Amino acid sequence: LAKTTQPISMDSYEGQEVNITCSHNNIATNDYITWYQQFPSQGPRFIIQGYKTKVTNEVASLFIPADRKSSTLSLPRVSLSDTAVYYCLVVVGASGNTGKLIFGQGTTLQVKP
Amino acid sequence: KAGVTQTPRYLIKTRGQQVTLSCSPISGHRSVSWYQQTPGQGLQFLFEYFSETQRNKGNFPGRFSGRQFSNSRSEMNVSTLELGDSALYLCASKVAGGPLTGELFFGEGSRLTVL
Repeated sequence: LAKTTQPISMDSYEGQEVNITCSHNNIATNDYITWYQQFPSQGPRFIIQGYKTKVTNEVASLFIPADRKSSTLSLPRVSLSDTAVYYCLVVVGASGNTGKLIFGQGTTLQVKP
Repeated sequence: KAGVTQTPRYLIKTRGQQVTLSCSPISGHRSVSWYQQTPGQGLQFLFEYFSETQRNKGNFPGRFSGRQFSNSRSEMNVSTLELGDSALYLCASKVAGGPLTGELFFGEGSRLTVL
């Protein structure tokens, strides 16, 4: 049975780098790993997506090892506005468009001044 | 460009009733998917529609159903409501094609309370 595991919560201070890891087994071989951010009373918002190795955009980096059994979201120099819940999203069990989307349990990041 | 719009934002129903939720995707997006979010179970995938066809389905009972119209708008229906159906129901749209987990654009959700 596919399962994703993330830390439930993390604390950080402004200006620090934060790394959140999601462990995921049995994910589809041909689909991407995606991370989302969610603020209270809002829908999740796309942060970054990758397949293997490292991907970087203007807000985050994503590290995915060769075995794809985990992924690490890296937020450089966090600010108070980065306080939110972060979810990893993977596809399990199938190829093409028939896989099942599985979210991690979410990591609540609290950034302190 | 307008975002994903979900209606109603809040609703209260009683056990045994049914409910229909509506989702208007971003213009040009042909894929619409639905999710249930609860404190206990987190975010769970319900189903995805593309070109009026259900293309993908999560592990929910048949009481949960959906459909998509030719203009890509989508509705989901929950029949014979149970207390455990109380949740935030989120809709997301994406441009068709690309990875299954391709960038999803979420609405703000419809919060359902079942009494």
